[in-house]
Amino acid sequence: QLRLQESGPGLVKPSETLSLTCTVSGGSISTTSYYWGWIRQPPGKRLEWIGNIYYSGSTYYNPSLKSRVTISVDTSKNQFSLNLTSVTAADTAVYYCAKHERMPARRWFDPWGQGTLVTVSS
Amino acid sequence: DIVLTQSPGTLSLSPGERATLSCRASQTVSSSYVAWYQQRPGQAPRVLIYGASSRATGIPDRFSGSGSGTDFTLTISRLEPEDFAVYFCQQYGSSPRTFGQGTRVEVK
Repeated sequence: QLRLQESGPGLVKPSETLSLTCTVSGGSISTTSYYWGWIRQPPGKRLEWIGNIYYSGSTYYNPSLKSRVTISVDTSKNQFSLNLTSVTAADTAVYYCAKHERMPARRWFDPWGQGTLVTVSS
Repeated sequence: DIVLTQSPGTLSLSPGERATLSCRASQTVSSSYVAWYQQRPGQAPRVLIYGASSRATGIPDRFSGSGSGTDFTLTISRLEPEDFAVYFCQQYGSSPRTFGQGTRVEVK
């Protein structure tokens, strides 16, 4: 059974870079069938899709965050990562990693990681 | 971007009752590519319904989805104690993928 687990600092200072890693277990990240994504939920707000990556390194970002986001993949470690630059308090959120299938008709997110709270504060 | 508006914000019901949750899109969702998720406190979201009306693997048949175009509904026919949670919809028909703000189903 595929499992995803987020890891990274829980506190980031304003203007710095938020970096998180998602470790995939129970299956290979190097499958042609899946995309790997990041989603976040600020306190009291709705979920926001951040972006996706394919095992080959192809990326797709939410235009609202595209200028600050980089998602990368490390197939040797079965991990993918999120970097978000120039963070502000508005980037405080629970960050989730998740998987969806490649076929357009099957692009719902499943499974999700447990999520990790990242607070931006000095 | 497609904005998804869920209603009501909170639904107060008793176990055994029927729950009807609404998700309205600001524009037509391509091919009814709408998913519904359940999130219990402290747990990861899990998919219940995809393609507006198809139950995900292992989801009890008391959960059903319907709708097309801009209006979608999740129905829980008889609430079980474990169903009291937050539910949110998501469209994956166009980019960027977007989510509703959620409906909390609480014990009355």
